Amino acid sequence: NAGVTQTPKFRVLKTGQSMTLLCAQDMNHEYMYWYRQDPGMGLRLIHYSVGEGTTAKGEVPDGYNVSRLKKQNFLLGLESAAPSQTSVYFCASTKTGGPNIQYFGAGTRLSVL
Amino acid sequence: AQSVTQPDIHITVSEGASLELRCNYSYGATPYLFWYVQSPGQGLQLLLKYFSGDTLVQGIKGFEAEFKRSQSSFNLRKPSVHWSDAAEYFCALNSGGYQKVTFGTGTKLQVIP
Repeated sequence: NAGVTQTPKFRVLKTGQSMTLLCAQDMNHEYMYWYRQDPGMGLRLIHYSVGEGTTAKGEVPDGYNVSRLKKQNFLLGLESAAPSQTSVYFCASTKTGGPNIQYFGAGTRLSVL
Repeated sequence: AQSVTQPDIHITVSEGASLELRCNYSYGATPYLFWYVQSPGQGLQLLLKYFSGDTLVQGIKGFEAEFKRSQSSFNLRKPSVHWSDAAEYFCALNSGGYQKVTFGTGTKLQVIP
């Protein structure tokens, strides 16, 4: 009963490096989301997906790309990391049909030096 | 545009005392409202939700919240706080559509003996 699993849990990057964060859910949810959490700012939506093969921008998409090649996976990529991307990243998923509970992963803590 | 305001950044209560965390929202239609809790190093977990019907909703861990449309509020309460309730609490609003959720900036709860 894994729910939403994020890998890695921690990562340190140098400015300009790239990386991919993986989110996997085993609940057959259609919708998946990537958020970033910064002190005093709550959670802000980066990108989201309403189904396999579809992605869309959230409120803070710059510097990030995403892909949803399989229904259960949602990848978040940083092509050229910047110190401003130091944050805690959360993936969430929810099923379709009306307002639904979002299920969250445990987060990835990323530091960009 | 929808928004969620949590006016208290940090609250300290004594163990056994009552608790009320404030949440105000701005939205032009009937909102779907949630309270999530985040323990240190963890993802967000749903405490309770309000979709319609009874305006007093019960959640897990002895929490409850009351929806007051006239005050645009959805305050979280607990009659007697336990040390394990120390965490950060987020109020959230779902406006439907692609399940877009707007989070408040969070209230960090400290429980003292």
